[in-house]
Amino acid sequence: AQSVTQPDIHITVSEGASLELRCNYSYGATPYLFWYVQSPGQGLQLLLKYFSGDTLVQGIKGFEAEFKRSQSSFNLRKPSVHWSDAAEYFCAVAAYGSSNTGKLIFGQGTTLQVKP
Amino acid sequence: NAGVMQNPRHLVRRRGQEARLRCSPMKGHSHVYWYRQLPEEGLKFMVYLQKENIIDESGMPKERFSAEFPKEGPSILRIQQVVRGDSAAYFCASSARDSVYEQYFGPGTRLTVT
Repeated sequence: AQSVTQPDIHITVSEGASLELRCNYSYGATPYLFWYVQSPGQGLQLLLKYFSGDTLVQGIKGFEAEFKRSQSSFNLRKPSVHWSDAAEYFCAVAAYGSSNTGKLIFGQGTTLQVKP
Repeated sequence: NAGVMQNPRHLVRRRGQEARLRCSPMKGHSHVYWYRQLPEEGLKFMVYLQKENIIDESGMPKERFSAEFPKEGPSILRIQQVVRGDSAAYFCASSARDSVYEQYFGPGTRLTVT
């Protein structure tokens, strides 16, 4: 079955430091991949998505992600973290055969804490 | 342009009562998705609806849960005879017809069953 794994439940980084959040997926074909951010008490906001083409994807708020087929990974990165980036981050993959439904499968999330 | 709206934001129900969660999609969006987030877990897909049609309900529990998206008015997720295990955050997302993966999420309804 398709799945998304985010190995890190909690990550703490210092403000200004670089960030990498890991995401691994299981999928038989070329996946559609997404990263979302959820601030406390809020809904999810799409940071970026990968459908095809260039494997390095730029998103909003200075985030980027790299699709690596050989590693089944889609890790999220940011060169310099700001205190406002503290939130929960979800990786997601579009479900197989869902081209007409938009069904997404989410990982468990990674909570990012930013130290001043 | 208002985003996806959900109400109520918080809902408390006693075991056995009914819960009705409402979702108004973004203006111009005709597709609605419901997801459930249990404590310490990611979001789980429940159902996908278009106006007056359920397209994919593969994530809906077989009993007590139903969803609709009428021609007029918001989408409704209805949970009958709630149990403690239904306590969760329920998120609605919407998209335009030609971009089902561009999903915009509402702030969620947090259901607590006492």
